[in-house]
Amino acid sequence: GAVVSQHPSRVICKSGTSVKIECRSLDFQATTMFWYRQFPKQSLMLMATSNEGSKATYEQGVEKDKFLINHASLTLSTLTVTSAHPEDSSFYICSARDATGYSYEQYFGPGTRLTVT
Amino acid sequence: DAKTTQPPSMDCAEGRAANLPCNHSTISGNEYVYWYRQIHSQGPQYIIHGLKNNETNEMASLIITEDRKSSTLILPHATLRDTAVYYCIVRVASQAGTALIFGKGTTLSVSS
Repeated sequence: GAVVSQHPSRVICKSGTSVKIECRSLDFQATTMFWYRQFPKQSLMLMATSNEGSKATYEQGVEKDKFLINHASLTLSTLTVTSAHPEDSSFYICSARDATGYSYEQYFGPGTRLTVT
Repeated sequence: DAKTTQPPSMDCAEGRAANLPCNHSTISGNEYVYWYRQIHSQGPQYIIHGLKNNETNEMASLIITEDRKSSTLILPHATLRDTAVYYCIVRVASQAGTALIFGKGTTLSVSS
């Protein structure tokens, strides 16, 4: 089955620093990837849609200058949390859809736990 | 996308069938019913989907009522590893390139 990986799985950073999270589709090409975040005991909230070779589309209320998304290739999208603050601590999850076939499935990464101290 | 309603939590004994309901009374004729689950601190996992016929795979069965206003996900022999949050999502197939929108889901607790 299709596999999506995320790196790192867990990161702790200091307030004011930036953190980059990578999302890779390992055995398929993904023209579109999605980024979600999840706070404790809450559901997944869509942050943005990442399209290969173009600008990401952000959901209402998500600061595009704070959460920088780059989708430079068909297998890699990155989310950079700039000037992170404790309130950005969350579980970040990416997903991808196989661009080569009409698949109903979205494949999710294992998630990245970000803790800002 | 049609809205779905699920009970917030359910319990199930290990080895018994877990029947998770989902109401989607405003579903449109071209919307599919999808089920995903999320085990604690992991990404969501696809389980099954269907349009109007009952579906079965190696993980679960999906029973959709004739009027399509509700469905039930059945885990035939629940194990402790099935403890997770289960999400019922309805969407048009042509929107496969758009993001899945998650509701609150049902937290299933399987105990021995």
